[in-house]
Amino acid sequence: AAGVIQSPRHLIKEKRETATLKCYPIPRHDTVYWYQQGPGQDPQFLISFYEKMQSDKGSIPDRFSAQQFSDYHSELNMSSLELGDSALYFCASSGSVYEQYFGPGTRLTVT
Amino acid sequence: TQLLEQSPQFLSIQEGENLTVYCNSSSVFSSLQWYRQEPGEGPVLLVTVVTGGEVKKLKRLTFQFGDARKDSSLHITAAQPGDTGLYLCAGDTSGTYKYIFGTGTRLKVLA
Repeated sequence: AAGVIQSPRHLIKEKRETATLKCYPIPRHDTVYWYQQGPGQDPQFLISFYEKMQSDKGSIPDRFSAQQFSDYHSELNMSSLELGDSALYFCASSGSVYEQYFGPGTRLTVT
Repeated sequence: TQLLEQSPQFLSIQEGENLTVYCNSSSVFSSLQWYRQEPGEGPVLLVTVVTGGEVKKLKRLTFQFGDARKDSSLHITAAQPGDTGLYLCAGDTSGTYKYIFGTGTRLKVLA
């Protein structure tokens, strides 16, 4: 069965640079969620989209923005990167309110 | 303030033992999900519970949603080394697209 695809899997950036993470949801899933997970921490909800519209917002810094495109893939744009942004970034997709299927994550390292 | 508290945080047991992990909150959840996460990978959905008092079984795993929909438990019977991982509960308070994760329970099953 098709799963959530995230790219890139690993990304190394320097402070103050910009990064773009991509997420391709499971086919026919209309909802995408973004999470940030620091070392030894639980995933923190950043933002979600339903049918290409932002549906909810969590602890997403103003330096980050995201959108969902007409083909339902989503991109998380991160600017002015800081050392504290180093984390695993997960995308999850859903075809119903009561389930989420997570991608393998993008490991972002800011140096 | 963490809305979802899990206990215990860490658990190390011998193969064949039983264990229970708890997920507690003062908030009422529309639904609650349990995930298992391996290091460096995305959380994998195990089950979703929606109705107060609901009990679901998945092989050796039994999940229960509290009558008031504020808490949940995961019971593993005859644990195996393959059960080792991080167990996370996640709840949705309003039926919207925003999930809060619990603090996590790190389980290690020794052969």
